[in-house]
Amino acid sequence: EAGVTQSPTHLIKTRGQQATLRCSPISGHTSVYWYQQALGLGLQFLLWYDEGEERNRGNFPPRFSGRQFPNYSSELNVNALELEDSALYLCASSLGTSLSGAYNEQFFGPGTRLTVL
Amino acid sequence: QKEVEQNSGPLSVPEGAIASLNCTYSDRVSQSFFWYRQYSGKSPELIMSIYSNGDKEDGRFTAQLNKASQYVSLLIRDSQPSDSATYLCAVYGNAGNMLTFGGGTRLMVKP
Repeated sequence: EAGVTQSPTHLIKTRGQQATLRCSPISGHTSVYWYQQALGLGLQFLLWYDEGEERNRGNFPPRFSGRQFPNYSSELNVNALELEDSALYLCASSLGTSLSGAYNEQFFGPGTRLTVL
Repeated sequence: QKEVEQNSGPLSVPEGAIASLNCTYSDRVSQSFFWYRQYSGKSPELIMSIYSNGDKEDGRFTAQLNKASQYVSLLIRDSQPSDSATYLCAVYGNAGNMLTFGGGTRLMVKP
């Protein structure tokens, strides 16, 4: 079974540009999560999509946005890039959310390393 | 107070020893608990899930959960240098139906 895939692996942009990152979840998973992990820091929750809808959002400015497509793949857009946006961006997927624990297991993709110059 | 707390380490153990990693959480209604392993520069990998009080064993890994004390731990038996990584504790609660991650504990296993 294929895992979560992300593209591109690396992305280099200059300040002020826009970046688009893509994620395909594990087959059968409907929830997609985006996290930012800056160098040496912990996982910071960005966005959660489920069944095409944004369900929750972390403490990030509106220039971080995204969407989920009918096939459950997802896209993260970062507008007006700033130097501090340089980080590893991780996508995770889960079966959904439920009182049943296994539904909440999140599986991560390999990440996209974004460098803003 | 952080919702999920871990000692950042590094925790250094000799090869072959038991490594004990601890995590406390603040949301009393948390229902599901997970341990992830993250190698430097890589993405987190789910290694253990635990949903009820007590111990759960999987190979060299044992997860322990005590909901009354709001405490979850991960024991790694016969630690190997390849176990050297950062271990992230994650807790699923009712707050926004989200997984909340701790800051991670860096484990170093010395040959």
